[in-house]
Amino acid sequence: EDKVVQSPLSLVVHEGDTVTLNCSYEVTNFRSLLWYKQEKKAPTFLFMLTSSGIEKKSGRLSSILDKKELFSILNITATQTGDSAIYLCAVGGNDYKLSFGAGTTVTVRA
Amino acid sequence: GAGVSQSPSNKVTEKGKDVELRCDPISGHTALYWYRQSLGQGLEFLIYFQGNSAPDKSGLPSDRFSAERTGGSVSTLTIQRTQQEDSAVYLCASSRQGSGETQYFGPGTRLLVL
Repeated sequence: EDKVVQSPLSLVVHEGDTVTLNCSYEVTNFRSLLWYKQEKKAPTFLFMLTSSGIEKKSGRLSSILDKKELFSILNITATQTGDSAIYLCAVGGNDYKLSFGAGTTVTVRA
Repeated sequence: GAGVSQSPSNKVTEKGKDVELRCDPISGHTALYWYRQSLGQGLEFLIYFQGNSAPDKSGLPSDRFSAERTGGSVSTLTIQRTQQEDSAVYLCASSRQGSGETQYFGPGTRLLVL
């Protein structure tokens, strides 16, 4: 059975801090790893990673995948209160299903 | 439409009643997924539709749950004889095709069974 583990479960930081979120996985026939940001209800897509070592970047957010060690990290620099959310990691295997981790709750205090 | 839409946004029902949740996928997306998210939990896969193929119902937790997709577009998730443990956020997602495609999520329906 596919398994996705995120850490930490939650963290609290102050505006301007940098946060690093971890996602490790075990999946049959890995195809892709996705990061989503969930505020209120709807998860919104951040990144899809398929190749090792290539950093995906969007503004203050960046992510990298290590297919050998089976993990990914999501970095947020110069955090703002609007970054407060649950960050979900999901992994896709040979089929269409995504297996989700339980998420990391990030709280950014002003 | 611009994104995936779901209705209602919130639903409160009494134990034993039936509920219907609706999902409108992004126009042109052939794949549609339903997930359930209980408090503090990750997303749990329920069912998958792809084009005219038979749906994958392997994630449905019991025979009280069913889903349809009419005309390859709108989908309805039905829960019969609701139980308190059905309380959760029900999320719908769509993608252009199936495997390997990014899934885009709707705003969800928060279901509370009293």
